[in-house]
Amino acid sequence: EVQLVESGGGLVQPGRSLKLSCAASGFTFSNYYMAWVRQAPKKGLEWVATISTSGSRTYYPDSVKGRFTISRDNAKSSLYLQMNSLKSEDTATYYCARPRRGIAAIWYFDYWGQGVMVTVSS
Amino acid sequence: QITLTQQAESLWISPGERVSITCRASQSLLYTDGKHYLSWYQQRPGQTTKALIYHASVRTDGVPTRFIGSGSGTEFTLSIEHVQPEDFAIYYCLQTLKSPYTFGAGTKLELK
Repeated sequence: EVQLVESGGGLVQPGRSLKLSCAASGFTFSNYYMAWVRQAPKKGLEWVATISTSGSRTYYPDSVKGRFTISRDNAKSSLYLQMNSLKSEDTATYYCARPRRGIAAIWYFDYWGQGVMVTVSS
Repeated sequence: QITLTQQAESLWISPGERVSITCRASQSLLYTDGKHYLSWYQQRPGQTTKALIYHASVRTDGVPTRFIGSGSGTEFTLSIEHVQPEDFAIYYCLQTLKSPYTFGAGTKLELK
C-alpha cells in the first residue's frame, strides 16, 4: 500500500525558515518523480514543486521560486521541502504527492499524503 | 499561465441524481500525443485527496464507473451518475500540460 506521511509543520514567524519531510512507503521511491502541493485555509490547491527521480531536475511556480527548495533522499525514501523567507501567504496545508507520468509530461498525481499544516505568523 | 475556471462554487443535489461539474481552460490542453492533460480530484474531510480521472476521461484504478470524465480542447466535464452519499465532497480539476501546473478553484457538492 502506497503511503506518504508528511511532517515538520508548525508555527513560524515571517522571514524565517522551515523544512518539511515526507516519508514514502509501499513503492520504489527512486523510480518516481515527487511533488509538493499546498492548500491555504478554505482555499483551493496550488502546485508548489516537483523533483525528478534522481533529484537533478526541480521545478517551481514563480510564487515560491528562489525561496523554496525541493530535494529527496532515495536511500531513505524521503522527500523534503526547504522553505525560506516565509511569508504569511505561505500559510497552508502542504501535501506530498506522487506524480504519474509518461515520457514527456506528468499525467496526474496518483497518491497524496494527509498533509501538514504550516502557519506563518508573528 | 493556464487558468482553469470551475464556475460553480457549489452544487446542491440529492442522492441518486446525476450531476455535472465543468472546468474551462484558458487554452487547449491537447498535447502532441493526442491526449488532454486534464485530471480530476476529490477531497473529503479526513481523507487523502483522491485522483479520479486523468487524460480527461480515463478513470484511475478502483474509481467507480459512475464517475465519467469528458471533454476536449478547453472544455471539460466530470459527471457523477446516481450520486452516492460518499460523493458529497469538493472536486478540483488540474492541468499538467504546462508549468506552472494549475488547479481549478473547486466545486463543492452539497446535499439538497
